[in-house]
Amino acid sequence: SQKIEQNSEALNIQEGKTATLTCNYTNYSPAYLQWYRQDPGRGPVFLLLIRENEKEKRKERLKVTFDTTLKQSLFHITASQPADSATYLCALVRSGNTPLVFGKGTRLSVIA
Amino acid sequence: ETGVTQSPTHLIKTRGQQVTLRCSSQSGHNTVSWYQQALGQGPQFIFQYYREEENGRGNFPPRFSGLQFPNYSSELNVNALELDDSALYLCASSLDGLAGVADTQYFGPGTRLTVL
Repeated sequence: SQKIEQNSEALNIQEGKTATLTCNYTNYSPAYLQWYRQDPGRGPVFLLLIRENEKEKRKERLKVTFDTTLKQSLFHITASQPADSATYLCALVRSGNTPLVFGKGTRLSVIA
Repeated sequence: ETGVTQSPTHLIKTRGQQVTLRCSSQSGHNTVSWYQQALGQGPQFIFQYYREEENGRGNFPPRFSGLQFPNYSSELNVNALELDDSALYLCASSLDGLAGVADTQYFGPGTRLTVL
């Protein structure tokens, strides 16, 4: 069956370090992969989208990579700040007429 | 802020009751999707509406139904509530097209439903 796994439920890092979150999938051939941020009691907020033919995407301190051979996406936050503390969700789209399928998310805590 | 609003913020119902949740999309967004998010889980796709027609459905029973109106508002109705329906219900609007296709989805803050 199709599966999306985000590497851990929780990740703690020191302020200023780079946070790396992992999204692995099986039995998928996603056309797109998206990353969202979700704060407690709030809806997810779109951060980045990467297509299957793209290796890397950047936006300010954020970087996403997409390796279709490894079936993995990495999400990096450089120079992390306490304000980056949130749950980060990855979501896959298989093809043009299918819905987003979300992972469970990784709760990131950046410690000052 | 995404410009997507949902009401009510919180709701408590008892098993067997019916509930209607409401969403107001961004103006001009023709597509609205509804998701259920249980505690500690990612959002799960319930269904999507495009220009007032259902345009895709996830693995949810028929007691989950919806409506979309021309004024960019929409509803999620759940009949015969069960305890497992307790969750955060999210709506997301997007400009056009089908769920997720390279089209940014703007999520509302959600409605927290508790079924006792």
